[in-house]
Amino acid sequence: HLLESGGGLVQPGGSLRLSCAASGFTFSSFAMSWVRQAPGKGLEWVSHISGSGGNTYYTDSVKGRFTISRDNSRNTLYLQMNSLRAEDTARYYCALFGGGAFDVWGRGTMATVSS
Amino acid sequence: EIVLTQSPATLSLSPGERATLSCRASQSVSSYLAWYQQKPGQAPRLLIYDAFNRATGIPARFSGSGSGTDFTLTISSLEPEDFAVYYCQQRSNWPWTFGQGTKVEIK
Repeated sequence: HLLESGGGLVQPGGSLRLSCAASGFTFSSFAMSWVRQAPGKGLEWVSHISGSGGNTYYTDSVKGRFTISRDNSRNTLYLQMNSLRAEDTARYYCALFGGGAFDVWGRGTMATVSS
Repeated sequence: EIVLTQSPATLSLSPGERATLSCRASQSVSSYLAWYQQKPGQAPRLLIYDAFNRATGIPARFSGSGSGTDFTLTISSLEPEDFAVYYCQQRSNWPWTFGQGTKVEIK
């Protein structure tokens, strides 16, 4: 089970920190990703982190602005989003990377960037 | 970046018909391709991973095939609950990418 939180309305240039609380599995054993979906649009992979947290990856459009992290003692995944732009407006899903794909998804949290 | 192109954009079919969805990669992704289904207001659901492996609990009417750059998701006989948007996704190269989606609608 994955439950995202932390979305909301923020002005351009502002920041948000998204959280994803995990339960029902050994969190530290699994890599995790954030995937977003702008209103009425398709899915876009955003960022990925290994089970230990030692390896991270980002899509080009968020490099230098977003930071993925995890606290395995709290079973929680994070996405720190800085310097937000209107085009970052989307529902953000956290997803568990199991045997080769995203086999568990949260319901998502909506981030809206607007003045 | 590997671009995944899905076709057609929309597929209009009747229940009981066969659906064939295509995903073409701009370069080889080997067999590192997955398929997801998304219904309005819901999170995506994994159907197929590594090109042809059905995820847990996915009905046998869903099948995946292909390797390299050309992949197909086939729904052998559409059920009412199968009308949705379908996405392919590659994990061969960073950044991972999704296709733009194929909407399967009721004719």
